[in-house]
Amino acid sequence: DVVMTQTPVSLSVSLGGQVSISCRSSQSLVHNNGNTYLSWYLQKPGQSPQLLIYKVSNRFSGISDRFSGSGSGTDFTLKISRVEPDDLGVYYCGQGTQYPLTFGSGTKLEIK
Amino acid sequence: EVQLQQSGAELVKPGASVKLSCKTSGYTFSNYYMSWLKQMPGQNIEWIGNIYGGNGGTGYNQKFKGKATLTVDKSSSTAYMDLSSLTSEDSAVYFCATGSLFAYWGQGTLVTVSS
Repeated sequence: DVVMTQTPVSLSVSLGGQVSISCRSSQSLVHNNGNTYLSWYLQKPGQSPQLLIYKVSNRFSGISDRFSGSGSGTDFTLKISRVEPDDLGVYYCGQGTQYPLTFGSGTKLEIK
Repeated sequence: EVQLQQSGAELVKPGASVKLSCKTSGYTFSNYYMSWLKQMPGQNIEWIGNIYGGNGGTGYNQKFKGKATLTVDKSSSTAYMDLSSLTSEDSAVYFCATGSLFAYWGQGTLVTVSS
C-alpha cells in the first residue's frame, strides 16, 4: 500500500497568516496515464471531509483561491494564505493513483 | 445539487451484521463509482472499497474483504454496505463518497458495536 506521511501533525496560526502542510508518499503518485492523483481534504469539527484540491493543484468547485496545492512525484504541499476562522479543522492528503486508496494521518490546524 | 444522505446511527451487538445505506440525488448515479470509507474516533480515514453505479462492479481494500459487501440499487440511486461479524474494531463512522476523488460525501453513519 502507498503510505502517505503528513507533517506537521498540528500547527497554530494567527488569523491572516499563511501555513504550509507537507505530504509525502512512499511511492510516486504519477499514474500510467500521466496524471498525478493527489488530493487535499478538510474535515471541519463534527463534519464530513470536503474536497479542496485534486490532481495536485486543481481547486474544487467553490474553493477559495487562498488554498493552493503544489508538488510532484512523492512530495506535495498545501498552502493556505490569509487564514480565516473557518479554516480550522484537520487537513488530509489522499492518493488516488494506486489501489487501495490511502490517506495521510492528518494535520490539525488551530487558530491562535 | 449533489446530495448523499446516509442512514442513521446503529447500535449493534458483537457478531451481528448491519446494512448501511447512502441515497443519492443531483447526479447520474449509474455513471459514477461510490466509495465507502471508515473513520474510527480521532483516527485516520480508511478506504473500504468502491462500487460502480452502472453495473455494480466492485473493488475492495484487501483489509476489508470478507468484512464489507457493497451493493447498489440503481432504481433508487442508492448504495449499500453490509458489514458482517461485527466486533469492537468495527465501531466507527462510515462515509460514502463519490468517485475516487471523493468529491461529495455523505454525512456519515456512526456504528457502535456493543453488547
